[in-house]
Parts: sequence; structure tokens; C-alpha cells
Amino acid sequence: DAKTTQPPSMDCAEGRAANLPCNHSTISGNEYVYWYRQIHSQGPQYIIHGLKNNETNEMASLIITEDRKSSTLILPHATLRDTAVYYCIVRVWFMGSARQLTFGSGTQLTVLP
Amino acid sequence: KAGVTQTPRYLIKTRGQQVTLSCSPISGHRSVSWYQQTPGQGLQFLFEYFSETQRNKGNFPGRFSGRQFSNSRSEMNVSTLELGDSALYLCASSTGQGSYGYTFGSGTRLTVV
Repeated sequence: DAKTTQPPSMDCAEGRAANLPCNHSTISGNEYVYWYRQIHSQGPQYIIHGLKNNETNEMASLIITEDRKSSTLILPHATLRDTAVYYCIVRVWFMGSARQLTFGSGTQLTVLP
Repeated sequence: KAGVTQTPRYLIKTRGQQVTLSCSPISGHRSVSWYQQTPGQGLQFLFEYFSETQRNKGNFPGRFSGRQFSNSRSEMNVSTLELGDSALYLCASSTGQGSYGYTFGSGTRLTVV
């Protein structure tokens, strides 16, 4: 699976948008970009995923560049409860089956009051 | 809709013993994956089961094994426990088809003494 690069930590003011970048310059055409987050001592939580189009759901928006080499997760109005480690994962499909998630180190997002 | 249930939540075992962890997926989900999380190695994939068959396997020794039952419930077994097996063991449930996301349980915290 393609490797991802994320900043180790970021701060964001409460109520502001949090923009978390991810670089995946070696991504292949059949690889999806997934975002998960993990709040301390809990299991990771699925946020969003996409292939090449921008995606939005009730939690966040995912912006993927046209060349697919990088993406940005946007939390539109960050709250203190959004403080967590955010993982950007590139996941390959093979013969109709997606491979396992390969987690990197992620970005520790701290939302400040 | 009930989430992913992992039992027990906490476990203390002695080196050399064996342990069995249990995971009940979301109703209707046919895929169960297991991950190990340690401070040093982060989140690492152990294996994935889909319809009672192991579909993917991570790079762990043979002491780590699993199985899935016809009702999709899964168990993970670790034999001859070592101190380094102390970790948070996470189970993830999914439909196993399409560009699916995983739903993780809260994990089992295993301490080997």
C-alpha cells in the first residue's frame, strides 16, 4: 500500500476549521484514501473515505487533489471533543476485496479553547 | 444498532499462559479484523476473517491465531504469552464488501506479567 505522510501534531482553535493534510505521492489508481481518528484509549473511528472526488459527510469533508498525491481532511467547526489522533490511510483494492488498513503515526490534533 | 463488542475489557495474564479474546461484530457484518496497538509499534494488523475464512494475515508469529464462527463472532488466541504481547487488542467489524469502512470496538487491554 502507498505510504502516507502526516504532520505529527497540529493545534486548532475551538470553533475554527481544522485542516489536516496528508501526502500520498505514490498512490495508485485503485487505492482509496481513508481517514480515521482515535480518541485516547478508544478504538479508531471511521470518518470518511474517497477515491478521486471530494467527499462530504456529517463529520467532515475530504478534499483530494486532482493528481491524487495529497488530500486534506476538513473539520468545519472543531470542538474540544475533536481532540484526537487522526490517521490518513491509503488502502488498495485487489480482486474485489479491500486490503487491511495500514496505520501510520497519524496527526495529534489538539483543539484549544 | 449495537456496536462492536469485545470481551473482556481488561485481562492480566502470566508469561507462558495462553489467552482468548472475543469479538461480536455489528449485526449483518461478515468481516472481522484484529489489530494490536502498542506504544512502540502503533496499530498493526493481525488478521481478517470473512465468512469464517481467513482472508488476510499480518506479519505476526504463529502464536497468534484466530477463527470466525457461523454467526460472524470471532475469537483471537495468543499462546505462550510474552511480555511484549502486552497491548490493546482491537477488533473491527465491516460488511467486507465494497469500499467499506470499519467499525472498531473499544478493545481488550492485555497485560502480561
